[in-house]
Amino acid sequence: GAVVSQHPSWVICKSGTSVKIECRSLDFQATTMFWYRQFPKQSLMLMATSNEGSKATYEQGVEKDKFLINHASLTLSTLTVTSAHPEDSSFYICSAHRTGAYEQYFGPGTRLTVT
Amino acid sequence: KQEVTQIPAALSVPEGENLVLNCSFTDSAIYNLQWFRQDPGKGLTSLLLIQSSQREQTSGRLNASLDKSSGRSTLYIAASQPGDSATYLCAVPFGAGNMLTFGGGTRLMVKP
Repeated sequence: GAVVSQHPSWVICKSGTSVKIECRSLDFQATTMFWYRQFPKQSLMLMATSNEGSKATYEQGVEKDKFLINHASLTLSTLTVTSAHPEDSSFYICSAHRTGAYEQYFGPGTRLTVT
Repeated sequence: KQEVTQIPAALSVPEGENLVLNCSFTDSAIYNLQWFRQDPGKGLTSLLLIQSSQREQTSGRLNASLDKSSGRSTLYIAASQPGDSATYLCAVPFGAGNMLTFGGGTRLMVKP
């Protein structure tokens, strides 16, 4: 149990376009999901906290108008990178916090390359 | 602000060695600490979670200890194997929302 999926696993897009990444908890409900970004050979940095039915909370330095987060259901959160630029190229990983549990379960990540 | 540090940043050992990975954190007011494994280009796999009331957790060849008062945790890997090669990350939650702060990771290479 406690499987989190992400789609797509990798995407290449042109500068200026928008890309949507989905994060799903497959076998449990998650009132809270988190979005992290990881640059090569670096650790994960929290971007935002996604709460079902309410607005996301963004970390300092993360532009909320550029990284749109929607947590429409207890099993799905989406991250849309708007007007992507090459510097947005990164590995985006989501995690889901199962309600009532301590652990976070991580998705397999999405590799975004902006050309 | 919580800061998490992992030492060493990289480690290369021959197969069969026992090894210790270190994790330190600045704010000891944590309620758990989690160790993860990340293979290149992949997501994170949770290895062990230690509650603040616990001193250690074991899973197979892995043993993680936690000393809150000194702000330290160690991950002990017994009889290392080439398949253990990966980056190992420790993380602690911060804030009321259970967000995680990660250490920089230890890149482990186990040579056959």
